Amino acid sequence: GENVEQHPSTLSVQEGDSAVIKCTYSDSASNYFPWYKQELGKRPQLIIDIRSNVGEKKDQRIAVTLNKTAKHFSLHITETQPEDSAVYFCAALMNRDDKIIFGKGTRLHILP
Amino acid sequence: DTAVSQTPKYLVTQMGNDKSIKCEQNLGHDTMYWYKQDSKKFLKIMFSYNNKELIINETVPNRFSPKSPDKAHLNLHINSLELGDSAVYFCASSFRGVDSTYEQYFGPGTRLTVT
Repeated sequence: GENVEQHPSTLSVQEGDSAVIKCTYSDSASNYFPWYKQELGKRPQLIIDIRSNVGEKKDQRIAVTLNKTAKHFSLHITETQPEDSAVYFCAALMNRDDKIIFGKGTRLHILP
Repeated sequence: DTAVSQTPKYLVTQMGNDKSIKCEQNLGHDTMYWYKQDSKKFLKIMFSYNNKELIINETVPNRFSPKSPDKAHLNLHINSLELGDSAVYFCASSFRGVDSTYEQYFGPGTRLTVT
C-alpha cells in the first residue's frame, strides 16, 4: 500500500555539523516530494520540495536529493543552527487523488 | 499570515459533546484537507475535498463529518466526542498547476482536548 518510511525518528547534531534525514516511498508513480518543518506548537511549514524530473535541489543550507530508481529521497541541512531544531516531515504525493502521505517525522535537536 | 485560517485555536470539551472546527483559505486553491496529528506527532490525512466534492475519505469514524459549503471553506463536525479524539487538527489547502506544479499549505491547527 501507500507508505513513506522516514529515518531516524530522533537526531541530535552538534551545532555547525550537518544533519541528514532519509525517506523511502512505495508508490513508483509519486513525482513530488515536499519536506516540512514543524516547530513546537506551530503548523508544518514547507521548506523545500523536489520533483521527479530532477535529482537534487538546493536552497542555501538545505538540499534534497532524490533517487527514483531506489525510491529514496533525503534532506541535508549543513552548518546547523539552534533554530533548525524542530520536527521534520518528508512526504510523497500520490498523483491519482492529490493525497500527500507523510513520514512519521524526525525530531532534530541541535546541541550547543 | 492568514492564507489558511482555522477557528477555534483551542477547544476543550467533555466526552459525548458535539463540536465543529472551521477552516477558510484565501489562496484560491481547489483542494482542502483535514489532518489529525496525535501526541506522537504523526500526521494522518482524514478527508480531502476538491471544489466542494469529497475526494478522500480515510478510515475515519463516521462521527466525523466534513462539510464544504464552497471552495474556500471546509468545516469538520465531530459528534459524540471521545477521549481518543484529543489531538491537533490541521486544515490544509493545495493547488495543482497545469504544468504539474503542486503546493500545499497548512492552517495553524486546532488543539482539541476531550476530558
